[in-house]
Amino acid sequence: EDQVTQSPEALRLQEGESSSLNCSYTVSGLRGLFWYRQDPGKGPEFLFTLYSAGEEKEKERLKATLTKKESFLHITAPKPEDSATYLCAVQAGDNQGGKLIFGQGTELSVKP
Amino acid sequence: GAVVSQHPSWVICKSGTSVKIECRSLDFQATTMFWYRQFPKQSLMLMATSNEGSKATYEQGVEKDKFLINHASLTLSTLTVTSAHPEDSSFYICSARGMGGSVSQETQYFGPGTRLLVL
Repeated sequence: EDQVTQSPEALRLQEGESSSLNCSYTVSGLRGLFWYRQDPGKGPEFLFTLYSAGEEKEKERLKATLTKKESFLHITAPKPEDSATYLCAVQAGDNQGGKLIFGQGTELSVKP
Repeated sequence: GAVVSQHPSWVICKSGTSVKIECRSLDFQATTMFWYRQFPKQSLMLMATSNEGSKATYEQGVEKDKFLINHASLTLSTLTVTSAHPEDSSFYICSARGMGGSVSQETQYFGPGTRLLVL
């Protein structure tokens, strides 16, 4: 069964304290792995798409990496405005409909 | 690019009434749209997938007659909650994927969500 597990469930950081969020997945042929950011009361905001092991993408303080079993979202020198829930989702290779399987999310809190 | 809007952003209705939520892709053609439901502190739960001009495909356990989905054009999908009851109160989010503008065809772009409260 296709599955996505994110850890930790919640993460509290001091401003400037770098860390990583984990997304482990089991899927029948990965078509794509997606990272989203969701602020309270809003829809998810697209961050990155990763397609194959070894791929990396960066955006400001965020960097996403991918292996055959997991993805990491590295946050360098975070600021309070990075506080949000970060969602990881995968699309299986045999899924032509584009359906995503979501993890439960990591709630990040960055204190000044 | 890749802007998806939803209307209304919040709605309060009486039990037994129907509520329609609109989802629009503003700067690209949405060949596929998805409707999700999200409970507090939980992840997104897919309700249905709709392709333009076709009937929606509902996930197991989602009542087709209660949650009517229409995807009549490449920029608009609607979700109608029929005979709403308090247990239908939730945060409803749509997403779209497609082509045009600066979008990636594989990526789902989400709307801002609609909060429904049924009294």
